[in-house]
Amino acid sequence: EAGVVQSPRYKIIEKKQPVAFWCNPISGHNTLYWYRQNLGQGPELLIRYENEEAVDDSQLPKDRFSAERLKGVDSTLKIQPAELGDSAVYLCASSKRLAGVHTQYFGPGTRLTVL
Amino acid sequence: DAKTTQPNSMESNEEEPVHLPCNHSTISGTDYIHWYRQLPSQGPEYVIHGLTSNVNNRMASLAIAEDRKSSTLILHRATLRDAAVYYCILSGTQGGKLIFGQGTELSVKP
Repeated sequence: EAGVVQSPRYKIIEKKQPVAFWCNPISGHNTLYWYRQNLGQGPELLIRYENEEAVDDSQLPKDRFSAERLKGVDSTLKIQPAELGDSAVYLCASSKRLAGVHTQYFGPGTRLTVL
Repeated sequence: DAKTTQPNSMESNEEEPVHLPCNHSTISGTDYIHWYRQLPSQGPEYVIHGLTSNVNNRMASLAIAEDRKSSTLILHRATLRDAAVYYCILSGTQGGKLIFGQGTELSVKP
C-alpha cells in the first residue's frame, strides 16, 4: 500500500513570494490533515478535512494561508505571501476511522525555508 | 483538550527494554491513548493506541494504569533504529484530532 505522498520535499523562497504544497493521501482515507512543525516542536494541526469539507480550520492563519481538497482526494496548502516565520516543515496526514479510532499516517513533509 | 506530560529525554542501551512514561491525569473516559514516534527527518509514525486494557503489537506494548491517569510505552529490545522522539497523545473519537506535545527524545547507545 502506497503511503502519503507530498511534494515538493524541499522549498526555498524569498519572503513575500507565494508557495504551494501538494498532498496525495492513502487511497480510501476520507480524512486529511495538514500540520506545521517548527524546529524542536511537535506538529500543530492547521486544518482537517472530511472528504472535501474543511471541518476544523481554527488554527489556519486565514489571512495568508489557504487550503483546498477538490474531489475529496488530493489537497493543496498555499501560503501567500510567505513570511520569515513560516519557515517550518509542513506535514500532511490521512486516516480512516476503524473501530472508532483514526490512526493517522503521515507523509515525509515539505521543508520550507523563507529567506 | 486533555494534556500529557512526558520526560524531555531518555537514554537506553541497545537490546535492552525501554519504558517510556506518560502522565495524563485529566484524561476523560472517552479519550484514547495514542503513541506516535518521529525518526529524524521523517513524519510521525503510528506506534500503538489503547483505551483501558494493555495492548501489544509488533512494535511495542502499551501498559495503561488502572485509573488511566498514566501509561507506559514499552519497547522490548531497543535498537539503534528506535532512536526517535516519542509522543504520547490523548484523542477522543471525534475526527482523530491529535495535539502533539514536546515528546520524549529517546537516544539508544550501542
